[in-house]
Amino acid sequence: DAGITQSPRHKVTETGTPVTLRCHQTENHRYMYWYRQDPGHGLRLIHYSYGVKDTDKGEVSDGYSVSRSKTEDFLLTLESATSSQTSVYFCAISGGQIQETQYFGPGTRLLVL
Amino acid sequence: AQSVTQLGSHVSVSEGALVLLRCNYSSSVPPYLFWYVQYPNQGLQLLLKYTSAATLVKGINGFEAEFKKSETSFHLTKPSAHMSDAAEYFCAVSTYNQGGKLIFGQGTELSVKP
Repeated sequence: DAGITQSPRHKVTETGTPVTLRCHQTENHRYMYWYRQDPGHGLRLIHYSYGVKDTDKGEVSDGYSVSRSKTEDFLLTLESATSSQTSVYFCAISGGQIQETQYFGPGTRLLVL
Repeated sequence: AQSVTQLGSHVSVSEGALVLLRCNYSSSVPPYLFWYVQYPNQGLQLLLKYTSAATLVKGINGFEAEFKKSETSFHLTKPSAHMSDAAEYFCAVSTYNQGGKLIFGQGTELSVKP
């Protein structure tokens, strides 16, 4: 299995509070991605990174920010959590070429009350 | 723009029966296509991928998929279902923008009856 960990694995928070999710890799892959999974929508890309301090928006980036200060860590922050951000969040890594496999972490289940 | 449609959010088969999960794509350029599987409370793992080398792609656990350009399809099949195949399956297309971002279908949940 690719060396990807996510923390926390489960979190319950209240509306309006900031939340940070962490993705850590040991594979030295250049690209890292954050997706959210919701029933009926599959997985949708939130943000991705193509190097240290290099990030870009995905399909559903509103209300989220990211940071990558080291190759191995990619942080996803919900500035002010809302109930619509209740979801399962997955981190993925790859070398970045179009044909390359993305490897996924175990996910973080977030509940916003 | 590229997109993926999976036909059927739930598919139920009997153990030993053929598994057929449907995926159609839309792309103005030759696509790279993937099938991922997700077991309960786990992340996604790659079943197989099409990267233009061969139209019939074999993957893990006895699954295979055939790329049909004329039908814009990439259906996933397995000749004989096992109970352990019960999971959610996602079809995805890799974009030509920077980073090979994946666009996923809605997912198909496969149930296998004894």
